[in-house]
Amino acid sequence: DQQVKQNSPSLSVQEGRISILNCDYTNSMFDYFLWYKKYPAEGPTFLISISSIKDKNEDGRFTVFLNKSAKHLSLHIVPSQPGDSAVYFCAASGDKIIFGKGTRLHILP
Amino acid sequence: DVKVTQSSRYLVKRTGEKVFLECVQDMDHENMFWYRQDPGLGLRLIYFSYDVKMKEKGDIPEGYSVSREKKERFSLILESASTNQTSMYLCASSVFTGIAEAFFGQGTRLTVV
Repeated sequence: DQQVKQNSPSLSVQEGRISILNCDYTNSMFDYFLWYKKYPAEGPTFLISISSIKDKNEDGRFTVFLNKSAKHLSLHIVPSQPGDSAVYFCAASGDKIIFGKGTRLHILP
Repeated sequence: DVKVTQSSRYLVKRTGEKVFLECVQDMDHENMFWYRQDPGLGLRLIYFSYDVKMKEKGDIPEGYSVSREKKERFSLILESASTNQTSMYLCASSVFTGIAEAFFGQGTRLTVV
């Protein structure tokens, strides 16, 4: 039973446009949500996070939105750049950190 | 600078071998985790530890065990390697769960033949 779901396995976005990656969760006890970025043959690197008491957190080109009533969060990247091409994992934290299956983002030139 | 180091980048082992994957962190973190990453399945938690000599099962502990004798070191053990354990293994550590991010090692690509 997946507690953290990323329903889009892949996403292609034109360079310069906005990339929106989505994530749904089932457990309302999660109190912290995170996004990680992963390049092939490397470990995931932390990107941005949001506490469950907030609805938005922004860091440069990256913004995460949290809708607790819908148990949904999204990561917005604007403008998208070629180096953003990677797999993005959504994660939720309680007593342990649970990851989604990931979304592969392709930034098209 | 934060550092989580996994002992090997690539390993090839034979079916039935006992395999040790080592992970060391230099951040004095309490929590350490072992995940495996497989195509289409994302990162799945195998085991985690929130203190020395403490361990908790994750979502897929079968066929694995762990050891945490020192705070900085967390070992994953495949008691008798099988081909379905061919995967990318990722170690991570965090100060504590709840409001802190985890830092990952570079991963170990294990192939069991």
